[in-house]
Amino acid sequence: NAGVTQTPKFQVLKTGQSMTLQCAQDMNHEYMSWYRQDPGMGLRLIHYSVGAGITDQGEVPNGYNVSRSTTEDFPLRLLSAAPSQTSVYFCASSYKGFLGEKLFFGSGTQLSVL
Amino acid sequence: GQQVMQIPQYQHVQEGEDFTTYCNSSTTLSNIQWYKQRPGGHPVFLIQLVKSGEVKKQKRLTFQFGEAKKNSSLHITATQTTDVGTYFCAGLTGGSYIPTFGRGTSLIVHP
Repeated sequence: NAGVTQTPKFQVLKTGQSMTLQCAQDMNHEYMSWYRQDPGMGLRLIHYSVGAGITDQGEVPNGYNVSRSTTEDFPLRLLSAAPSQTSVYFCASSYKGFLGEKLFFGSGTQLSVL
Repeated sequence: GQQVMQIPQYQHVQEGEDFTTYCNSSTTLSNIQWYKQRPGGHPVFLIQLVKSGEVKKQKRLTFQFGEAKKNSSLHITATQTTDVGTYFCAGLTGGSYIPTFGRGTSLIVHP
């Protein structure tokens, strides 16, 4: 099993450009989510999904879109990149257990917006 | 909304000293998880606590969940350089599988 795979690992964008961060998991997890990590701010939830066709907003959703057409994939789209979106992005997945299940994280994407 | 506060933000220790990070929630939690992130890496799950007053040990790491299920701590005995990283707590409320993360405590171990 590859676990949670994120691509690309690094990306530099110009302000106003759009791009998609890819996330795929091969563990048949129902729950998938996207976090951004900024220095001193911990992990902040952007969007999440509890199953194919179902998505919802997290704490910091503005400027990002997601979709979940399959169980395996959960791409994150930046519509018009801004310098404030410079961050490290992590995708995570887990089973949808009653008491909560451990999250498996991808290796992250370091994004710089100039 | 639910908030999870974690202190301290940073902790410098000499190798061999003990280390503790504390997590406090504004609401009662159903369970709490702990993760470790090595420098340049991604968070990795360490443990989940579910029961009031629960204490779990993993070698030199001791995890506690408060009686009121609103606070938790991670204690490392006799730190080693391999313990370097950021430790996050993540709290879940009843029926939710969406954990709220604390801001993390970065542990720096000086040899």
